Amino acid sequence: TQLLEQSPQFLSIQEGENLTVYCNSSSVFSSLQWYRQEPGEGPVLLVTVVTGGEVKKLKRLTFQFGDARKDSSLHITAAQPGDTGLYLCAGPQTGANNLFFGTGTRLTVIP
Amino acid sequence: EPEVTQTPSHQVTQMGQEVILRCVPISNHLYFYWYRQILGQKVEFLVSFYNNEISEKSEIFDDQFSVERPDGSNFTLKIRSTKLEDSAMYFCASGLAGGRGNTQYFGPGTRLTVL
Repeated sequence: TQLLEQSPQFLSIQEGENLTVYCNSSSVFSSLQWYRQEPGEGPVLLVTVVTGGEVKKLKRLTFQFGDARKDSSLHITAAQPGDTGLYLCAGPQTGANNLFFGTGTRLTVIP
Repeated sequence: EPEVTQTPSHQVTQMGQEVILRCVPISNHLYFYWYRQILGQKVEFLVSFYNNEISEKSEIFDDQFSVERPDGSNFTLKIRSTKLEDSAMYFCASGLAGGRGNTQYFGPGTRLTVL
């Protein structure tokens, strides 16, 4: 069974601070996607990483896919209150297209 | 920017009733999915649909569930006889491609409440 564990589960920081959240698995994923979800809404795609060691930047967000494609991280620089939300990583099930989701990191950025 | 839309946003039904949840995927996408999220839990896969047939389904997707793409734009999820435990957010997603790096775009969800 593929598992995606995200840490920390909860994170509360002051505006302007930097943070990193992690998505780890014992299984290899062909790709990983990061989403942000607001309460009562659908997950909004942030990025897809495909190649081991790949780094992608989206403004203040930096995503990295581990060399062995078993883990990924999301680093936010100078967090803002608008970054508040649930950050989810997801990867395709082996041999399938459907996504398996992690448990999520709930980020709160305090003004 | 194109997006996935879902209707209704909230559906309340009595146990045992049939419900149909509707989705309009992004127009040039070929792969369609339903997921659900019970309050406070992970997003879970239900079913995927490609080339007018189910390509994968989870163990949650039992005989009470069915999917249809009745025309070129809509994608529906039907629950024949709802149970209390079907209460959840239901998300439709679509993607242009499958395979490695397949990227899925999610709709805003339908909140289903079974009383």
